[in-house]
Amino acid sequence: DIVLTQSPGTLSLSPGERATLSCRANRVVNSRWLAWYQQRPGQAPRLLIYSASSRATGIPDRFSGSGSGTDFTLTISRLEPEDFAVYYCQQHGGSPLDYPFGQGTKLEI
Amino acid sequence: EVRLLESGGGLVQPGGSLRLSCAASGFTFSDYFMHWVRQVPGKGLAWVSRIHPDGSHTLYAGSGQGRFIISRDNAKNMLYLQINSLSVEDTAVYYCVRDLTDGIVDFDLWGQGTLVTVSS
Repeated sequence: DIVLTQSPGTLSLSPGERATLSCRANRVVNSRWLAWYQQRPGQAPRLLIYSASSRATGIPDRFSGSGSGTDFTLTISRLEPEDFAVYYCQQHGGSPLDYPFGQGTKLEI
Repeated sequence: EVRLLESGGGLVQPGGSLRLSCAASGFTFSDYFMHWVRQVPGKGLAWVSRIHPDGSHTLYAGSGQGRFIISRDNAKNMLYLQINSLSVEDTAVYYCVRDLTDGIVDFDLWGQGTLVTVSS
C-alpha cells in the first residue's frame, strides 16, 4: 500500500508569511498522480494542485507545488487570511489500486 | 451551473443498509470517472470507490470491499453508493466527486456531502 505522510501536523503562521507543507510517500510515486487539496471548515475540499505542480483552474499563483519521487511540497508564498485551512495531498497507485490521502496539515494563524 | 448534490444520508442502525445518491448537473456526466470519498467528522479524507464513465468497471478501497456497491445511471445523471452491513466506523460525511482527467489525479468537483450516522 502507498502511505502518504504529511508534515507538520499543524503549522502556525501569520498572514503575509510563507508556508511550506510536506507530503512524503513510502515509495516512489508517479508525479502525474499527486494532487493537493484545501479544505476550509464546514466546506468540501477544493483541488489546488494536480500532477504535483500544475495549478487547478482559478487557483491563485501564490500556491505552487513541487517535488518528485517520494517527496512533494506545497508552498503558499504569501498567506492570505482565507488560506488558513487544512491541506491534504493525494496519490493514485499501488496494488490493489487506491487513491490514498495524507492525514492532512492544519494551517492556523 | 456545474454541480454535484448528494442525498440519502441519515441515521441508521448497525447492520443496516443505505443507498446514497448524487445528482450531477451542468456537465456531461457520462464523460467522467466518478468517485465517493468519505470523512469521519473531525478527521481526514478517505477514498471509498471509483466507477468508469460507462459504469463498466468499479474499484473499491480495501475497507469497503464486499460492502460497498458503486453504480451510476448516465441517462439520469446520477451516481449511487449502496452501503451494506453498516458499522459505527462507517459514520462519516460522504462526498460525491468528479475526476476531471483520466490518468491524472484531479478531483475537481465535490458535492457538499451527505452525513451518514450509524448508531443504535
